[in-house]
Amino acid sequence: RKEVEQDPGPFNVPEGATVAFNCTYSNSASQSFFWYRQDCRKEPKLLMSVYSSGNEDGRFTAQLNRASQYISLLIRDSKLSDSATYLCVVNSLGGATNKLIFGTGTLLAVQP
Amino acid sequence: NAGVTQTPKFRILKIGQSMTLQCAQDMNHNYMYWYRQDPGMGLKLIYYSVGAGITDKGEVPNGYNVSRSTTEDFPLRLELAAPSQTSVYFCASSDMGGEETQYFGPGTRLLVL
Repeated sequence: RKEVEQDPGPFNVPEGATVAFNCTYSNSASQSFFWYRQDCRKEPKLLMSVYSSGNEDGRFTAQLNRASQYISLLIRDSKLSDSATYLCVVNSLGGATNKLIFGTGTLLAVQP
Repeated sequence: NAGVTQTPKFRILKIGQSMTLQCAQDMNHNYMYWYRQDPGMGLKLIYYSVGAGITDKGEVPNGYNVSRSTTEDFPLRLELAAPSQTSVYFCASSDMGGEETQYFGPGTRLLVL
């Protein structure tokens, strides 16, 4: 089983739609969770951290379900500029330092 | 701040050649990382460093070497390039370990023919 699993998509949605991405992780001891955004041929950039209580940043809402080892990202009122690959990221424990494990990403294409 | 910078942006190598990918950060971060990203695949950790003089292997270290003589610089060395090393290489840094946001450089696209 992969440490972090995501639906690769693509998700093709019209402008203004609400879209949700899901991610599961295998290490129940993981403590830190993130969503990164990666535009085509660019580097990943942090979109938001994910907290146990859930958190919201404008049109974006992230939620964590530790019991099910499941993370979600909800995007409301999709914009053309939201088109990108969204990477689910979880910390991996052990070794000299904790490391981040990146999912393969979910591709979102917002259509006009 | 320039953040994380990488050079070159793009390089074509012949099989068996060697090269060094440069990475520098000006945020005084202790942790630095090298990843490779193949099409349709997640980022794979090659090597990482928790501070000057300290490096350790990641998930896919074979065929690569690193050094960390200063806090700012973390070069990645490819010896005897192989077609399997064709990839996009990203360098990243963070102030702390896995609990912290990582800041990425713009990447180096490497093609080995």
